[in-house]
Amino acid sequence: ETGVTQTPRHLVMGMTNKKSLKCEQHLGHNAMYWYKQSAKKPLELMFVYSLEERVENNSVPSRFSPECPNSSHLFLHLHTLQPEDSALYLCASSPSGQGVPETQYFGPGTRLLVL
Amino acid sequence: GQNIDQPTEMTATEGAIVQINCTYQTSGFNGLFWYQQHAGEAPTFLSYNVLDGLEEKGRFSSFLSRSKGYSYLLLKELQMKDSASYLCAVTMNRDDKIIFGKGTRLHILP
Repeated sequence: ETGVTQTPRHLVMGMTNKKSLKCEQHLGHNAMYWYKQSAKKPLELMFVYSLEERVENNSVPSRFSPECPNSSHLFLHLHTLQPEDSALYLCASSPSGQGVPETQYFGPGTRLLVL
Repeated sequence: GQNIDQPTEMTATEGAIVQINCTYQTSGFNGLFWYQQHAGEAPTFLSYNVLDGLEEKGRFSSFLSRSKGYSYLLLKELQMKDSASYLCAVTMNRDDKIIFGKGTRLHILP
């Protein structure tokens, strides 16, 4: 049990659907992250939130829209995705996210398949 | 550009020692993480090196040479449960940017 939970664990959606991924951390951390992990590619950092403010957006297409309503919850809203967006989406958290490299604690991920 | 290289796959025998290498070329460097990821599970933290040298933590040790852009993860007394992917990740300067390598899939044979 890592203290970071993600729902759903698996998701299949069509290209015209709208869905949301949810992440919740129970560690009292202030920073949360979204990563994409595709087969045979490295983990790609998508978004970073520190104290509910977005501090990093790694040129992610607008069909991915993050939301961080409080420091414990992070959402990734999905809209008109493409088949190449099929991947494992991992959420992580770290204590402060205040410009100091920190150990990140990962959730189990959501396996997304776009048809 | 940013580049992190590590072998795609390695095989070792139960009870043996294995060394997983990682080389990096990045614009700025603060430290290097090693994570373990079992199939279908989340990555879990193993080590973080900032200074040159070897850091030992039980059966696992991690080494860093900043001047050579090189790190390795050393696993001793291998157990079957060590079969996993091992991810090398570099943090750059003082911000939260972290770049991961593609991971090394380690197979342990009985």
